[in-house]
Amino acid sequence: GENVEQHPSTLSVQEGDSAVIKCTYSDSASNYFPWYKQELGKRPQLIIDIRSNVGEKKDQRIAVTLNKTAKHFSLHITETQPEDSAVYFCAASNRDDKIIFGKGTRLHILP
Amino acid sequence: DAGITQSPRHKVTETGTPVTLRCHQTENHRYMYWYRQDPGHGLRLIHYSYGVKDTDKGEVSDGYSVSRSKTEDFLLTLESATSSQTSVYFCATEWGQNTEAFFGQGTRLTVV
Repeated sequence: GENVEQHPSTLSVQEGDSAVIKCTYSDSASNYFPWYKQELGKRPQLIIDIRSNVGEKKDQRIAVTLNKTAKHFSLHITETQPEDSAVYFCAASNRDDKIIFGKGTRLHILP
Repeated sequence: DAGITQSPRHKVTETGTPVTLRCHQTENHRYMYWYRQDPGHGLRLIHYSYGVKDTDKGEVSDGYSVSRSKTEDFLLTLESATSSQTSVYFCATEWGQNTEAFFGQGTRLTVV
């Protein structure tokens, strides 16, 4: 079955700097890659997603890239702000629609 | 937020007792999921459903069963609760395959 690895587990960046979180997946049939943000005590919420027919997608300060050959995808957050502090989860899903999540990255934005 | 409600929100139960968690949605979403969230493990898929009476196992299904007799309700049952099942349980729904998943508020379950 699908396995999703996520790195790093914890990331601290200075406010205003960029943050990058990386994920790899094992199932070459996976074709949908969402990213979720979970603030402390809250439920996870979708922030961006990418499908396998696209290499990059951007939404304001957030971008995601996908390398199908290498089976990895990354989340990039530019000009980080205090409200970006949260746990971020990558996920992969294939035609069976099992959404498998990575273990999460706790992002700290330092003042 | 999408109309997804989990009940109960908090529960403490004794080892060996059966427990049922309920996920109720008003969005008419076809797909429903149960995850557990533990420190260091992220969100792990327990069971999922792609329609009424259509369910399948996820990564960590041992000790859990599910039922979906109506589109709006997805029940998770711990047949005989163990301390290792102490966790936060999240339900999620999707209207279609590979679309945005909406999560419930979570249920904090403690097995003593």
